[in-house]
Amino acid sequence: EIVLTQSPGTLSLSPGEGATLSCRASQTVSSNNVAWFQQKPGQRPRLLIFGASSRASGIPDRFSGSGSGTDFTLTISRLEPEDFAVYYCQQYGRAPLTFGPGTKVDIK
Amino acid sequence: QVQLVQSGAEVKNPGASVKVSCKASGYTFTDFNMHWVRQAPGQGLEYMGVINPNTDGTNYAQKFQGRVTMTRDTSIRTAYMELRSLQFDDTAVYYCSRGGYESGGYWGQGTLVTVSS
Repeated sequence: EIVLTQSPGTLSLSPGEGATLSCRASQTVSSNNVAWFQQKPGQRPRLLIFGASSRASGIPDRFSGSGSGTDFTLTISRLEPEDFAVYYCQQYGRAPLTFGPGTKVDIK
Repeated sequence: QVQLVQSGAEVKNPGASVKVSCKASGYTFTDFNMHWVRQAPGQGLEYMGVINPNTDGTNYAQKFQGRVTMTRDTSIRTAYMELRSLQFDDTAVYYCSRGGYESGGYWGQGTLVTVSS
């Protein structure tokens, strides 16, 4: 199975700052089938990005995804108070689907 | 609108089985795969497997093979996940999640399964 590694584990930032989250796969992810999810405590995950760079419906344009092959990035251009959460990458290019361990973005 | 509504919380003894349901509405049930994901308390997301409601085909993560069964009833647009031989570390919130991200990312509200003696 494809193993995903996310870095950093925790990112401590202030509102208004930018955030760069990394996701690295142990093998090439076919068709760049990587998704990013946001999860807040007590809530179900929310799809932000699919296909490595396509924003899901209703997702603000301060969220953007990039990358290909084995290296993928989620960028949040200017953090809003509601963006402090845990972010997971997922590959869905090869079964079984797998998730990264998550990056927590917390308030500095 | 698309909705996935899961069954309620369960408390089970070690060694027992649990069956969680996920009722879909707002789309054609057989057009999209249904995935199952769990999350232990304070931990990350763990993928369990998938069922194709159209073909009834399944694919399970190796960790759960032999212990999980995913089924569906197309007449009531409901997917099921049964996990057997429960242990304490199976305590988690179990989610169903619809595939086809191009058409939106939809998750059920989660079902807490607690394994306790």
